[in-house]
Amino acid sequence: DGGITQSPKYLFRKEGQNVTLSCEQNLNHDAMYWYRQDPGQGLRLIYYSQIVNDFQKGDIAEGYSVSREKKESFPLTVTSAQKNPTAFYLCASSWGTGRNEQFFGPGTRLTVL
Amino acid sequence: GQQLNQSPQSMFIQEGEDVSMNCTSSSIFNTWLWYKQDPGEGPVLLIALYKAGELTSNGRLTAQFGITRKDSFLNISASIPSDVGIYFCAVTPGYALNFGKGTSLLVTP
Repeated sequence: DGGITQSPKYLFRKEGQNVTLSCEQNLNHDAMYWYRQDPGQGLRLIYYSQIVNDFQKGDIAEGYSVSREKKESFPLTVTSAQKNPTAFYLCASSWGTGRNEQFFGPGTRLTVL
Repeated sequence: GQQLNQSPQSMFIQEGEDVSMNCTSSSIFNTWLWYKQDPGEGPVLLIALYKAGELTSNGRLTAQFGITRKDSFLNISASIPSDVGIYFCAVTPGYALNFGKGTSLLVTP
């Protein structure tokens, strides 16, 4: 089955700790994205990557970091510098050129204790 | 990112009723997308619109890309309980998507 997987589904972190969220896709998509969603809000772009070993900051990149060493994987690290990290994190992928439909994973809910 | 205005913010309807929601922008976009999100899950793409004036259906869903390229609407006919969720419009100013804040739909049996 082709799709996007995110793990874990729920994550708890102590304040001051870094944590890494996993995102894997087997759709052979070139582009991958990370969004943050807060209650009652739309999705806001954190980082995106159009190709392996390249990525760009989105609207709210401060306190986050990413890597794109493989086409299938785009992990997101939430660092201790992120002041308000509790949120629902969504990963997406797309072909990256031409048609821009993005397909989303099931999300990871991060709670900072 | 560019601001999208979705309305209404929420809707509370009875099963069987038709639903209409819309999304507007002050800027022109060449692609409009509609997603549905169930609680605690990722958004699922419902309809993609690529041509101004285009009317596209997907089962009981119909969406239109406004002729000015600054708006779009989504209609759901004969609503059922599983239509409950949040509906987002999105546009593509570049590689990433800009999302509206969503319309929350509640359907009572």
